[in-house]
Amino acid sequence: RKEVEQDPGPFNVPEGATVAFNCTYSNSASQSFFWYRQDCRKEPKLLMSVYSSGNEDGRFTAQLNRASQYISLLIRDSKLSDSATYLCVVNPYLIQGAQKLVFGQGTRLTINP
Amino acid sequence: DVKVTQSSRYLVKRTGEKVFLECVQDMDHENMFWYRQDPGLGLRLIYFSYDVKMKEKGDIPEGYSVSREKKERFSLILESASTNQTSMYLCASSSSYGYTFGSGTRLTVV
Repeated sequence: RKEVEQDPGPFNVPEGATVAFNCTYSNSASQSFFWYRQDCRKEPKLLMSVYSSGNEDGRFTAQLNRASQYISLLIRDSKLSDSATYLCVVNPYLIQGAQKLVFGQGTRLTINP
Repeated sequence: DVKVTQSSRYLVKRTGEKVFLECVQDMDHENMFWYRQDPGLGLRLIYFSYDVKMKEKGDIPEGYSVSREKKERFSLILESASTNQTSMYLCASSSSYGYTFGSGTRLTVV
């Protein structure tokens, strides 16, 4: 079983729609959770951290369910510029104080005009 | 802003060549990482370093080695390049706020 699993998509949605991504992780001791965004032929960039209480950043809402080992990302009022691959990222443990992040395969999203 | 710079954007090397990929960060981060990214497989950790001259194997270290002689520089070495090492290579450095990636080196081994 993969440590972090995501639906690879692709998701094609019209501009203005609400879209939700889900992700599951296998290590119940995982400590930190993130969503990264990767544009075509570019490096991943941190979109937002995910906190136990859930958190929101503008049109983006992230949720964590530790009991179900499940993370979600909701994008409201989607824009053309939201087209990208979204990576679910988990930190299962520290090694020598370093966060060792494990990345999901990514979910590809295309917003259509 | 943290900057992570990878020396080459595109590289083409021959099978059996020794290949050096260089990565430099400017924020005095202790932790640095090398990943490779392949379609359908996502990002996989090759090696990481938590201090100068300190390194740990990641999930796929075979065929690779690393060097960290100075805090700001972390090098990935392909001892004898093979075609299955054709990939996108991403370097990152980290703080408690997450990783910052370099722009990647697309390596083709022919």
